[in-house]
Amino acid sequence: AQSVTQLDSHVSVSEGTPVLLRCNYSSSYSPSLFWYVQHPNKGLQLLLKYTSAATLVKGINGFEAEFKKSETSFHLTKPSAHMSDAAEYFCVVRYSMFSGGYNKLIFGAGTRLAVHP
Amino acid sequence: GAVVSQHPSWVICKSGTSVKIECRSLDFQATTMFWYRQFPKQSLMLMATSNEGSKATYEQGVEKDKFLINHASLTLSTLTVTSAHPEDSSFYICSARVRESGTDTQYFGPGTRLTVL
Repeated sequence: AQSVTQLDSHVSVSEGTPVLLRCNYSSSYSPSLFWYVQHPNKGLQLLLKYTSAATLVKGINGFEAEFKKSETSFHLTKPSAHMSDAAEYFCVVRYSMFSGGYNKLIFGAGTRLAVHP
Repeated sequence: GAVVSQHPSWVICKSGTSVKIECRSLDFQATTMFWYRQFPKQSLMLMATSNEGSKATYEQGVEKDKFLINHASLTLSTLTVTSAHPEDSSFYICSARVRESGTDTQYFGPGTRLTVL
């Protein structure tokens, strides 16, 4: 079954240090992968997306993610955390109808990022 | 990115009353919109897919007679929670799908906090 796993429910970093939020997906033909961020009581904002073009995807606010097919991973990184990065992050996958999927978004459970001074 | 708005951002109602939530795509037309529900500290749960000019497609376990969806135009979908009860209290988020660079991307509204007393 198609699925996406966020390996850490909580990540805590100090301001100015690197951020790594891990995401693995179940193998399938040509998935589309997304990272969204949700601040408290807000909707989801698209950070970046992978759509079978470049494997290293750059997003907004200094975030980037690398698609690694051999590892079925799409980890989100940022070189230097800022206090405003504290939020909930969702890794999301969409499998195409041609791969036997349903063209719907499948959400990871989310990773709460805390940034300390 | 594309902008999706929701109204109201929060609503408090009495048990037994109905509440309507609007979702609008502000700078694009969306033939397909989605309604999600999010419980505290949890991921998003897809309730239904709203298709312009046709009936919505509901996910398993979602009562179509309780959660009425209307997608009367290419920029507006509404969710009406009928005969609301306290267990319907939740954060409701809509999303609109847009085709960008050959890929479907979903943009999310800011959410509506429903509290049923």
